Amino acid sequence: DSGVTQTPKHLITATGQRVTLRCSPRSGDLSVYWYQQSLDQGLQFLIHYYNGEERAKGNILERFSAQQFPDLHSELNLSSLELGDSALYFCASSVAFGTAQSEAFFGQGTRLTVV
Amino acid sequence: AQKVTQAQTEISVVEKEDVTLDCVYETRDTTYYLFWYKQPPSGELVFLIRRNSFDEQNEISGRYSWNFQKSTSSFNFTITASQVVDSAVYFCALSWNNDMRFGAGTRLTVKP
Repeated sequence: DSGVTQTPKHLITATGQRVTLRCSPRSGDLSVYWYQQSLDQGLQFLIHYYNGEERAKGNILERFSAQQFPDLHSELNLSSLELGDSALYFCASSVAFGTAQSEAFFGQGTRLTVV
Repeated sequence: AQKVTQAQTEISVVEKEDVTLDCVYETRDTTYYLFWYKQPPSGELVFLIRRNSFDEQNEISGRYSWNFQKSTSSFNFTITASQVVDSAVYFCALSWNNDMRFGAGTRLTVKP
């Protein structure tokens, strides 16, 4: 158990809908990263939050948004869903990247299926 | 640009063969960290190793070994005497400052 909790584990929804994925980082971790992994694809970086502030954006669609709350949990909002958004969405947390404690811990992922 | 390249998309070996997974990185920073993660068929990502940019010592852990060479910006991962349980997708990653990027991953299949 990595200590990172992602809910829900599975989500099936229809095209055009909106969903929210939730991530609770390890206790004490300030950084939260979101990644998308489509079928047989690598990890695509979406967005990074550090202590409530957005620090970096990757290939995140305008239909997607995220935030990190004061208690450090994060939510990834996906709207106007398309079939191609079906993927495994990972959250990772770390105390802070680039320091000696920069190991990232990953949640189990949320598998989103858009039908 | 900060980038990680894993040129090998898929590798297939027979059990007991040695296999090396390549990782090449690009960074402007002098302080950075390199990682390898394993993603078995069950889907979770498992941390394997972290190296910092000032430590080029190679590391061995059982059947796993890592070769870090700053001169070639490479951080390669070798599995000796591979086993079926080593079948997974392996990701190399780079972190610097407060950011992190992953390579596209290499899918390793070890056949009995």
